[in-house]
Amino acid sequence: AQSVTQPDIHITVSEGASLELRCNYSYGATPYLFWYVQSPGQGLQLLLKYFSGDTLVQGIKGFEAEFKRSQSSFNLRKPSVHWSDAAEYFCAVVAPTRSGNTPLVFGKGTRLSVIA
Amino acid sequence: SQTIHQWPATLVQPVGSPLSLECTVEGTSNPNLYWYRQAAGRGLQLLFYSVGIGQISSEVPQNLSASRPQDRQFILSSKKLLLSDSGFYLCAWSSTGSPNIQYFGAGTRLSVL
Repeated sequence: AQSVTQPDIHITVSEGASLELRCNYSYGATPYLFWYVQSPGQGLQLLLKYFSGDTLVQGIKGFEAEFKRSQSSFNLRKPSVHWSDAAEYFCAVVAPTRSGNTPLVFGKGTRLSVIA
Repeated sequence: SQTIHQWPATLVQPVGSPLSLECTVEGTSNPNLYWYRQAAGRGLQLLFYSVGIGQISSEVPQNLSASRPQDRQFILSSKKLLLSDSGFYLCAWSSTGSPNIQYFGAGTRLSVL
């Protein structure tokens, strides 16, 4: 079974600073990988996804993530954080299956605070 | 394009009362449907998922049940709410077939008092 670890429960960064949110997964092969963002009181919005190919993927809102097979990691990055990026971020994985019926496995999330 | 609707957005219910939360998806057919609960500081807990009408998989035994009476309708129910049922409930859908990209509704905030 797959599992996801987001080691940082809460991160605070200054506006304009760079950001990296960590995500480590456990799975015997290469899973499909996702990052979602949740603003307070809202649903989850897909930021980006990785299925195969180029290990650096670009997403919405200026985010990118890099898949590193050797480290079983899929860290999310942004070069310059804006105050509107303050939210909860979730990493998720799923084993590739032909049916696609397997639910995603989510990490517990990292809350991002942005200070002036 | 596909859209997902959840209602109500907010609900306050007394302990012991019944519950019915509804989720509908538009613009797609035969979606996979999911119910999650999010308690403060505890991340997302998958409650139920469905790959078709009348097909429900339960992930966590508890006071809740789910039904899928129509292809694009997913209902979360309880006969008697407990205080511990309070939380933020999220519905999600994905297309059948790989890859399994899930799209979420706006959620329902349930407070049981």
